[in-house]
Amino acid sequence: EPEVTQTPSHQVTQMGQEVILRCVPISNHLYFYWYRQILGQKVEFLVSFYNNEISEKSEIFDDQFSVERPDGSNFTLKIRSTKLEDSAMYFCASRAGLAGSGANVLTFGAGSRLTVL
Amino acid sequence: AQSVTQLGSHVSVSEGALVLLRCNYSSSVPPYLFWYVQYPNQGLQLLLKYTTGATLVKGINGFEAEFKKSETSFHLTKPSAHMSDAAEYFCAVSSTTGNQFYFGTGTSLTVIP
Repeated sequence: EPEVTQTPSHQVTQMGQEVILRCVPISNHLYFYWYRQILGQKVEFLVSFYNNEISEKSEIFDDQFSVERPDGSNFTLKIRSTKLEDSAMYFCASRAGLAGSGANVLTFGAGSRLTVL
Repeated sequence: AQSVTQLGSHVSVSEGALVLLRCNYSSSVPPYLFWYVQYPNQGLQLLLKYTTGATLVKGINGFEAEFKKSETSFHLTKPSAHMSDAAEYFCAVSSTTGNQFYFGTGTSLTVIP
């Protein structure tokens, strides 16, 4: 079963530090996403990415966030200067986007837990 | 605009009892609807989806859901709860372009032995 892999599984950082969360989407998928889930709260959309550019982003995704697909396999989320409120579980997801029954199904990774101290 | 409302943030059922988790959606276009499950310390796993066709959809682990357009609902059911069903369940809606998914606030299911 193809899967989305995320690293690290848990990262602890000091406030103000830069963090990069990494994701390897399913190889033939075309659309990539980052979501976050603050402890005990709902899953929130951050950004979607298609054809090497951001296709949509939420209000949460401000200037401190950026995404990149540097090498055709990895999909990264960078938080430039972390704040306490960035502590959350960050989920990467991908979907095929091609015709077929699975085209619009999001496949999620296991998440990266970010703790900002 | 699309949104999802999950009624009941916590549901407790006895082992062997019926599971019913409620989801209502709002969408200005025909929606795609999904249920995802999140086990402790894990990611979200697709349980089932409705895109087109039959309105009663069956998923993994004995779960099913019925799309009712007149009620704008997509409730999740399972006839007999197992201890292993204890998890967080999220309903989600997307447009047919599928570019953005909107999740409900989740329902935590507890199964009592």
